[in-house]
Amino acid sequence: EAEVAQSPRYKITEKSQAVAFWCDPISGHATLYWYRQILGQGPELLVQFQDESVVDDSQLPKDRFSAERLKGVDSTLKIQPAELGDSAMYLCASSSRWDSSYNEQFFGPGTRLTVL
Amino acid sequence: KQEVTQIPAALSVPEGENLVLNCSFTDSAIYNLQWFRQDPGKGLTSLLLIQSSQREQTSGRLNASLDKSSGRSTLYIAASQPGDSATYLCAVTGGSQGNLIFGKGTKLSVKP
Repeated sequence: EAEVAQSPRYKITEKSQAVAFWCDPISGHATLYWYRQILGQGPELLVQFQDESVVDDSQLPKDRFSAERLKGVDSTLKIQPAELGDSAMYLCASSSRWDSSYNEQFFGPGTRLTVL
Repeated sequence: KQEVTQIPAALSVPEGENLVLNCSFTDSAIYNLQWFRQDPGKGLTSLLLIQSSQREQTSGRLNASLDKSSGRSTLYIAASQPGDSATYLCAVTGGSQGNLIFGKGTKLSVKP
C-alpha cells in the first residue's frame, strides 16, 4: 500500500541550530501539506503545495521557516534558527487534489522535533 | 474562521461497549469531513471521509455521520476493543485551498 514517507523520525537539536525535514508523498499526489502538531493539540497547517507551487503559506513563520518542492514531488521543510517553541511533531500529508469533495489526505509518520 | 470542537476530551470505557465521539464545526461550507486515529507519538491514520453531500460512511465497526446544517458529526464505534485505544481527531476542509482544520481530539481508553 502506498504511503507518505518522512525522515528523520526524531530530531533533537539545540536552539539557534538549523534543522530540515524531508517528505515523499504518495506517487501521483499533486497536493502536499506540512502541518505542525503541538502536544495535546490538533495539527495546524504550515504550508500547502500544488505541484511545485505554494498555494497557502499564511501560517508559516517566514522569518525562520522555509519550504520547497522543487520538482513537484518530494519536499523539504527547514527551520533556521530553531527556537524552543518549535518543539512539536511535524506532519506531512498528500492528496490527489485539493479542490474535490473527495480530497482525502494521507499522513506520514511525522518527525518529532525537540529543541533544547 | 472555521473552528472544530471535539467532546469529550477523554473517554474511558470497558471492553465491548458501544461508544460515540462528537465533533462540531462552526462553518457549514465544507468540502468534506475526515476522522483520523492517532496512536501516541505516531502519525495520523485516516478512518473515514464523508463528502459534504453524504450523510454517513461505514467501515467495519466504525460509522460516521455528518449533519452539515447543524455543524455536527459523530463517530460511532461498536463493540470496542483495547486495540481501539488512541486519540481520535475530527477535521473539516476549511479555507479557500482545501486544507484541514482539526479539533483537539478525543483520547479514548478501552479497558480489558
